[in-house]
Order: sequence, then C-alpha cells, then structure tokens
Amino acid sequence: QVQLVQSGAEVKKAGASVKVSCKTSGYTFTNYYLHWVRQAPGQGLEWMGIFNPNAGNTIYSQKFQGRVTMTGDTSTSTVYMELNSLRSEDTAVYYCARDHESSCLDHWGQGTLVTVSS
Amino acid sequence: EIVLTQSPGTLSLSPGERATLSCRASQDFSRSNLAWYQQKPGQAPRLLIYGSANRATGIPDRFSGSGSGTDFTLTISRLEPEDFAVYYCQYYGNSLRFGRGTKLEIK
Repeated sequence: QVQLVQSGAEVKKAGASVKVSCKTSGYTFTNYYLHWVRQAPGQGLEWMGIFNPNAGNTIYSQKFQGRVTMTGDTSTSTVYMELNSLRSEDTAVYYCARDHESSCLDHWGQGTLVTVSS
Repeated sequence: EIVLTQSPGTLSLSPGERATLSCRASQDFSRSNLAWYQQKPGQAPRLLIYGSANRATGIPDRFSGSGSGTDFTLTISRLEPEDFAVYYCQYYGNSLRFGRGTKLEIK
C-alpha cells in the first residue's frame, strides 16, 4: 500500500534552517509529483510547492520563493523540504502529499511538527 | 489568484442529519480541479472527493460532491459520529488553494 513516512518533530531557533524528509513506498516514486503543505496551530492548510521526482524540477508558492528548497532522492524514494531563515510564524505541522492526476492529493504523510523559538 | 470561501464556518448537527457544506470560488474554474478533504484533530487530511463529484477510494457513499463554475457543495447524507471533523475544499490550478474550512460539530 502507498505510504508516506515523515521525519520526526524539530525544534529550531529563529534564523535557522530545517529539513524535513518524506520517505515513500508502495508505488513507483518517479511517476507521481509530491507536494508540501503546512498547517499552523489551529489554522487551515497552506500549499508550499510541488516537486517532480522524475525531472527534479519544482514549483514553489510565491510566499516561500527564495526560502524553500524541495529535493528528492530516487535511490531511497525520499523527498525533502528545506525551509531557511525560520521565524516564529513558521511554527506548523508540515505535510508531504502525493499528487493524483494534477487534481488533488490522494495520500498524505503523518506530518512533522516544526517549532521555531525566538 | 482564486480564493475559496467556505460556509458556514461552523455547522452544528446531530448524528443522522444531513450536512451541506459550501465552497464558493472567486473565479470560474473546471469542476475537475475541485477536491474535498476531511481532517480530524491530530491527523493528516484525508481525500474525500476529487473532480468535484468523484469519491476517493474507500469513502462511504453517504459523502457526495456536486457543483460547477464557482459554487461547489459537499453533502453528507446521514451523519455518523465519525463524520464530525473539519472539511476543506481545494482548488488545483497553477498552484493549490484551500478554503479556510468548515468545522462540523455535534449539536
């Protein structure tokens, strides 16, 4: 079955960087785009960007452009999301999710809580 | 940039009742680009409906989606206790957009 398993919770200081991993299994890694979505405490869902594991290219939300980098490793079927220059407003649960037919996100990771302290 | 407005913000109903959740878009778009998710506390969102009206794998048939243009609806025909959660609509275009959610709570 399709699984997306994310790395554990992180606590970072303001100004630092964080790198979250998402290990996929149960399907052909290069056949599906992966998205990153975050959710601040008590808030809604916010899309950060999309990664193409086949070509390695990305599209980032304008809000995160210049501060986020999404990469992948085909040998381990893992995608990564690195966010730089962290601030307290980046405290959130970060999710990876698999793209379905460029219409929706059909499988999600369990989420990774990133806490940014000043 | 498309904005999705969900209403109501909170819906209070009893098990067995019918729930109707609305998602209104600021611009027309294809119904194929609209999806609905359910999220329970401490859990990741779960895909319910894609392409406006197609149930995702394993989703009970009490969940149905409809609409086109700028107005979309998620209907839960008879509420079960496990249906009380937050529901989000989502647009997929050049970027993804989510509505702010409707909280479905037990009356």
